[in-house]
Amino acid sequence: DGGITQSPKYLFRKEGQNVTLSCEQNLNHDAMYWYRQDPGQGLRLIYYSQIVNDFQKGDIAEGYSVSREKKESFPLTVTSAQKNPTAFYLCASSSQVVSGANVLTFGAGSRLTVL
Amino acid sequence: AQSVTQLDSQVPVFEEAPVELRCNYSSSVSVYLFWYVQYPNQGLQLLLKYLSGSTLVKGINGFEAEFNKSQTSFHLRKPSVHISDTAEYFCAVSDGTSYDKVIFGPGTSLSVIP
Repeated sequence: DGGITQSPKYLFRKEGQNVTLSCEQNLNHDAMYWYRQDPGQGLRLIYYSQIVNDFQKGDIAEGYSVSREKKESFPLTVTSAQKNPTAFYLCASSSQVVSGANVLTFGAGSRLTVL
Repeated sequence: AQSVTQLDSQVPVFEEAPVELRCNYSSSVSVYLFWYVQYPNQGLQLLLKYLSGSTLVKGINGFEAEFNKSQTSFHLRKPSVHISDTAEYFCAVSDGTSYDKVIFGPGTSLSVIP
C-alpha cells in the first residue's frame, strides 16, 4: 500500500545533540513537508520541498535542517540550536492534482523528547 | 493573511448524540477547506474537503460539513457519534496558490462519553 513512513516513532535526545528524523513516501508525490505539533497550537510548518534538490523554509525553520536528494525521501535534522525541540513531528506529502488544491497525506509521526 | 479559528478547544458529547465542531476562516480570496482527524499518537487523516460546487460536503465515517461563504465558516457535523469518534479534529484552509499555504486551526478535542 502507498503511504508515508516515519521513523523512529519515539526518540529521546540529550541536550546539545543533533537528531535526524526519517520520512519516506512511495506515493510518487512531488511535494513533501515537515510540521511540528505542540498541544493546543495546531500544526506549524518547518520546511517544505516541491522538487528534488530544492526546499523552502516554513514558519519555524530556525534550528532545523532538511535535504531532498531523492523524490521519496525528506529527512529532518533537529539541531542543538533548536531551543525547545520536544514535540511531535509530522511528515506529509501532496500532489496538487485536484483543482490545484493542496491535499496532504500524513505519516504517523515521530515524538521527540529532550532529556 | 489567512487564519483559521476553531472556537471550541474541547467538546464532550454523549454517545449517539449529534455533534457540531465549529470552524471559521479569514481570507480575501477563494479558498479550499479541509477537515482532518487525528487519533492519539497518529498522523492526520483527511475527513473531507470542499473544493467547489455543492456547499454540503460528505466525508468518511458519517461526517459532513457545510461551506458558508457569507459567514466564512466550515462547520463539521455528525448526527450520531460513536466512541470511536473520540479524536482531535483540525480545520485547514488553502488558497491553492502555493505549496506552503495550508493553514491549520488549533484543533478541537472531541470526547465521546459512553
